[in-house]
Amino acid sequence: NAGVTQTPKFQVLKTGQSMTLQCAQDMNHNSMYWYRQDPGMGLRLIYYSASEGTTDKGEVPNGYNVSRLNKREFSLRLESAAPSQTSVYFCASIMGLAASSDTQYFGPGTRLTVL
Amino acid sequence: AQSVTQLGSHVSVSEGALVLLRCNYSSSVPPYLFWYVQYPNQGLQLLLKYTSAATLVKGINGFEAEFKKSETSFHLTKPSAHMSDAAEYFCAVSSMNTGFQKLVFGTGTRLLVSP
Repeated sequence: NAGVTQTPKFQVLKTGQSMTLQCAQDMNHNSMYWYRQDPGMGLRLIYYSASEGTTDKGEVPNGYNVSRLNKREFSLRLESAAPSQTSVYFCASIMGLAASSDTQYFGPGTRLTVL
Repeated sequence: AQSVTQLGSHVSVSEGALVLLRCNYSSSVPPYLFWYVQYPNQGLQLLLKYTSAATLVKGINGFEAEFKKSETSFHLTKPSAHMSDAAEYFCAVSSMNTGFQKLVFGTGTRLLVSP
């Protein structure tokens, strides 16, 4: 049971390049999230997926797209990377659909630098 | 809208001293509150959570937190710090939005433990 896995661990891009961050969970969780973490700002929600086939915008969605490929996988795509997207990206998953008290489980993160 | 304020971006303690990390929340409805810990170069891990069952919540690694509605606080404490407690700690409040959990995180407090 690997929990939440993310690939790659590190990535360096040039401005304008595109890439996809991969996330997978093996806990049979329904809901998944993408966050970005910047110094002094905590974690901010980019997109989330309440269930397979559905996605919704979070607090900072501009410049990103997502795909919920199946129940296990939730990918984040940067179509044209910008230096402002330099950050650490975390994927998380949660069992329930509606319970506010459920625990989110986080992956180890992807450290992205855009030059 | 719900929000969380963590007072102090850095807290320094000596090994064996009391750890106190402060968290105040704002919520128009009864909140669910969480403390997560992030060790260097890792993802977030749940320390403990308040789900209205008891105001004093015990978590992993000897941490506990007390929910005080009158003070809108959920401070994290540990009687005796260990070197291994050095990490960044995030307080978060759960927001129900169309029946789906969205965590709002504080900006984090980095705990430094000196010998």
